[in-house]
Amino acid sequence: GEDVEQSLFLSVREGDSSVINCTYTDSSSTYLYWYKQEPGAGLQLLTYIFSNMDMKQDQRLTVLLNKKDKHLSLRIADTQTGDSAIYFCAEGTGGYNKLIFGAGTRLAVHP
Amino acid sequence: GAVVSQHPSRVICKSGTSVKIECRSLDFQATTMFWYRQFPKQSLMLMATSNEGSKATYEQGVEKDKFLINHASLTLSTLTVTSAHPEDSSFYICSAFNEGGTEAFFGQGTRLTVV
Repeated sequence: GEDVEQSLFLSVREGDSSVINCTYTDSSSTYLYWYKQEPGAGLQLLTYIFSNMDMKQDQRLTVLLNKKDKHLSLRIADTQTGDSAIYFCAEGTGGYNKLIFGAGTRLAVHP
Repeated sequence: GAVVSQHPSRVICKSGTSVKIECRSLDFQATTMFWYRQFPKQSLMLMATSNEGSKATYEQGVEKDKFLINHASLTLSTLTVTSAHPEDSSFYICSAFNEGGTEAFFGQGTRLTVV
């Protein structure tokens, strides 16, 4: 069945780069998403990538997709304390179909 | 990006009463909306897919008589938790795709506490 997996926790020093990894199983995934959730809040769409792309960059965020290995990563450059949150990876097949979410990676940024 | 607004953000109700949560797409039309439930420090669990003008599609294990979903217009879906019990206390979040069907936006979430 469909499954999305992420490591649960990542700790980085302020100013360093953070890399959050995700693997998925559904080969028919068309879109892959990264969301950020701060405590007590909803999910904020950070970025998404279409399955025929290898990379997408948006300011401090870089998404890499290895479709062969079904591996997705989110790199945050120059990580700041405000980046501390839970990051969810999700995959979808498009066409208004439901998204499948990973368990979320808690990013802790320390001085 | 598109805006999805959820109301209320927090609600406390007595056991046995019903609570309605609203989810609105503010600047776009959404024929399909999704309702999720999130337990503390856990991922989102999809409860149901809300379809404008037709019945919602519930995920396995979700009681449709307990979690009533109404999607009466292209910008509003409601989730009613009927006869709420303390175990229904949770964080409920709705989402909707933009009109291109590529980006899913989420509401702010509703923290329900049943006492």
